Amino acid sequence: GENVEQHPSTLSVQEGDSAVIKCTYSDSASNYFPWYKQELGKGPQLIIDIRSNVGEKKDQRIAVTLNKTAKHFSLHITETQPEDSAVYFCAASIESGGSNYKLTFGKGTLLTVNP
Amino acid sequence: DTEVTQTPKHLVMGMTNKKSLKCEQHMGHRAMYWYKQKAKKPPELMFVYSYEKLSINESVPSRFSPECPNSSLLNLHLHALQPEDSALYLCASSQEIRLRGVGEKLFFGSGTQLSVL
Repeated sequence: GENVEQHPSTLSVQEGDSAVIKCTYSDSASNYFPWYKQELGKGPQLIIDIRSNVGEKKDQRIAVTLNKTAKHFSLHITETQPEDSAVYFCAASIESGGSNYKLTFGKGTLLTVNP
Repeated sequence: DTEVTQTPKHLVMGMTNKKSLKCEQHMGHRAMYWYKQKAKKPPELMFVYSYEKLSINESVPSRFSPECPNSSLLNLHLHALQPEDSALYLCASSQEIRLRGVGEKLFFGSGTQLSVL
């Protein structure tokens, strides 16, 4: 099955700095790569996603890059703010059991933005 | 409305109790999911319903019994749970999972924090 590795497990930055989280996946058939942000006491919320036919996608301060050849994708947050502090999960989606799709999550990165 | 609503938010139950978790969405999504999340771990898939039919069961013990009464509702019935089943149970939905070659955006609820004593 698919295996997603995520690094680092914790990341501490100063407000205004950039943060980068990296993930690798194992199955070349994976074709959809979302990133989720989970704040304390809440469920994961989709913040950005990228499909395998695209190399980069940006949404304001957040960007994701995908390198299919190397099977890795990264989340970039610029001008970090204290409210960006949360656990971030990367995931890869692969077809499972016919027309079903299964998300495999990385282990998560605890991002702390210090004021 | 882009919300997935889960009730209750917290639940404490004994090992002999029977309880149910409820999930509701009004986004017209036809796929609904149950995930289990232990502290400081990623969500783990338990069940997937597609068009109100169970399509994926990730070898979950029978003490967890899912039910999808209609396209907007998803229940998880709990019976004879063990303390190690204590976790955050997350419901999620997605629009359509029968488009081959297309991964799905999942929308998660806030979860039910379950404690089994």
